[in-house]
Amino acid sequence: DGGITQSPKYLFRKEGQNVTLSCEQNLNHDAMYWYRQDPGQGLRLIYYSQIVNDFQKGDIAEGYSVSREKKESFPLTVTSAQKNPTAFYLCASSIGLAGGLGDTQYFGPGTRLTVL
Amino acid sequence: GENVEQHPSTLSVQEGDSAVIKCTYSDSASNYFPWYKQELGKGPQLIIDIRSNVGEKKDQRIAVTLNKTAKHFSLHITETQPEDSAVYFCAANPSGGSNYKLTFGKGTLLTVNP
Repeated sequence: DGGITQSPKYLFRKEGQNVTLSCEQNLNHDAMYWYRQDPGQGLRLIYYSQIVNDFQKGDIAEGYSVSREKKESFPLTVTSAQKNPTAFYLCASSIGLAGGLGDTQYFGPGTRLTVL
Repeated sequence: GENVEQHPSTLSVQEGDSAVIKCTYSDSASNYFPWYKQELGKGPQLIIDIRSNVGEKKDQRIAVTLNKTAKHFSLHITETQPEDSAVYFCAANPSGGSNYKLTFGKGTLLTVNP
């Protein structure tokens, strides 16, 4: 069963702690993305990666870090520097460069992070 | 950068009626326009997309139209059903030809009343 998995579904963090959100895909996609969703704000791009060992900042990268050591995995770390981390985090993937212009992004089920 | 405006923010229709959601974009080089449906607590799912070489695309009760001159595109849902109730997002790819970035509208909450 192919798809994108995110874990955990719900995550609670105390202020000042770093936390890592998991994203795994078995679609053999080259490109992966992290979005943040807040009520009434739509989806905003945090980081994206077109290929293994490469990633770029999106529109709201401050306070976040990522790694892309494996094609199927793109974990996101929310650091203590992120001033307002409570949000719904969505991971997505797409075929990537081989998919041509404007290829489809497929989303995971999301992780809801709450800072206590 | 790309700016995508989506209207209305909420839309309530009676079952069986049609629903139309409109988006405008700012980057004239954009050439890919997907629409996503998001149910409560879940990730968005692609329902239809259109590329700049076509003006309209239809898939059963769902259609999307694109007007590149005016820089707007619309989602049309006919014969709405209660299960169509969800938040719908439009998106556009900025800087034309970039397949790795999408700019999203802020979403439309569609409620279909039985």
